[in-house]
Amino acid sequence: EIVMTQSPATLSVSPGERATLSCRASQSLSGHLAWYQQKPGQAPRLLIYDASTRATGIPATFSGSGSGTEFTLTISSLQSEDFAVYYCQQYNDWPPTFGQGTKVEIK
Amino acid sequence: QVQLQESGPGLVKPSETLSLTCTVSSGSISNHYWSWVRQPPGKTLEWIGYVHSSGTTGYNPSLTSRVTISVDTSKSQFSLRLTSVTAADTAVYFCARGSPVADYWGQGALVTVST
Repeated sequence: EIVMTQSPATLSVSPGERATLSCRASQSLSGHLAWYQQKPGQAPRLLIYDASTRATGIPATFSGSGSGTEFTLTISSLQSEDFAVYYCQQYNDWPPTFGQGTKVEIK
Repeated sequence: QVQLQESGPGLVKPSETLSLTCTVSSGSISNHYWSWVRQPPGKTLEWIGYVHSSGTTGYNPSLTSRVTISVDTSKSQFSLRLTSVTAADTAVYFCARGSPVADYWGQGALVTVST
């Protein structure tokens, strides 16, 4: 099973600033990585798949990059609705596995 | 926009069977993969498995001996059965469209395993 490691666990950012979240896989993913956003009491929301493709309706403030085992989610200018927990998920191997999440909180 | 809604008991006794159903509305269940994902309180997400509208299934190896996912296209529903549950199966269970990437999700159903 592929192990996903996210850092940092918590990121404190001021509104309007940029946030950079990292995700590392225990083996190469061939670009098969997704990012989800989850707010308290809600279901996850798909943001990015195939490492860098935005899902339908996701604003351009969200961007994904990376390859191999190292991936990044960047939120270019944080809005109030962006404060949430973000999960990366690999789907290069079965079963799909998630990281432990990065909580983006208001600084 | 596709909508998914989980339904089923919120409390299950240890050693018994957890059963949940997901109803799909505002979209076709045909020609899609449908998944179950769970999240224990305060923890990360775990992919349980999927069913295609054709009936093909795939399960997480950690659960494969206890899990069955099935689909009823006539009712636009798919279901999860998890046998011999323990406290470790207490979680919010989400149904979702797609595997291994999920683009639409239900709101989630908390299932507690307890006497």
